Amino acid sequence: DSGVTQTPKHLITATGQRVTLRCSPRSGDLSVYWYQQSLDQGLQFLIQYYNGEERAKGNILERFSAQQFPDLHSELNLSSLELGDSALYFCASSVDESETQYFGPGTRLLVL
Amino acid sequence: QQPVQSPQAVILREGEDAVINCSSSKALYSVHWYRQKHGEAPVFLMILLKGGEQKGHEKISASFNEKKQQSSLYLTASQLSYSGTYFCGTVNQAGTALIFGKGTTLSVSS
Repeated sequence: DSGVTQTPKHLITATGQRVTLRCSPRSGDLSVYWYQQSLDQGLQFLIQYYNGEERAKGNILERFSAQQFPDLHSELNLSSLELGDSALYFCASSVDESETQYFGPGTRLLVL
Repeated sequence: QQPVQSPQAVILREGEDAVINCSSSKALYSVHWYRQKHGEAPVFLMILLKGGEQKGHEKISASFNEKKQQSSLYLTASQLSYSGTYFCGTVNQAGTALIFGKGTTLSVSS
């Protein structure tokens, strides 16, 4: 158990819908990262927050957005969902940006 | 900036050895290694820091060649449990965020 929690574990929804994925980092970690992993693909970095502020953006679509709240938990919002958005979404946290990242168990999203 | 891993895939029998390489075009401060089992979260294996020594974890060890900006992960006497995808992540000397390579898939059979 890495100490990072993600909810929900599984999510099934329809195209065009909007969903919110939630992540609680390890205690003491200020940095939160979101990754997308499609079938047999590598980890695609989406976005990073550090202590409530956006720090880096990767290949994140405009339909996706995220935020980190004062209690440091983070939410990833996915809207106008398409079939291709079906993937495993991981959240990771670290004490600092260049430090080891600890991954949550992931949220498996299936868009039908 | 994404590190390059090689090979893309390795197939082994139990007891055989393997080496996975990770290289960067940037001067590196640290290299991180992770292993991911199918459908599970990546799990941290070890970190190698600039100026640090070779690290080990059970029968898995790694080295970091700062001059060549490369790291290698050594898996000796492989076990079935070693199967998975191995990712390296690098932090360059500018202290930027960890960036992951595309991964190397290791399959160990009996």
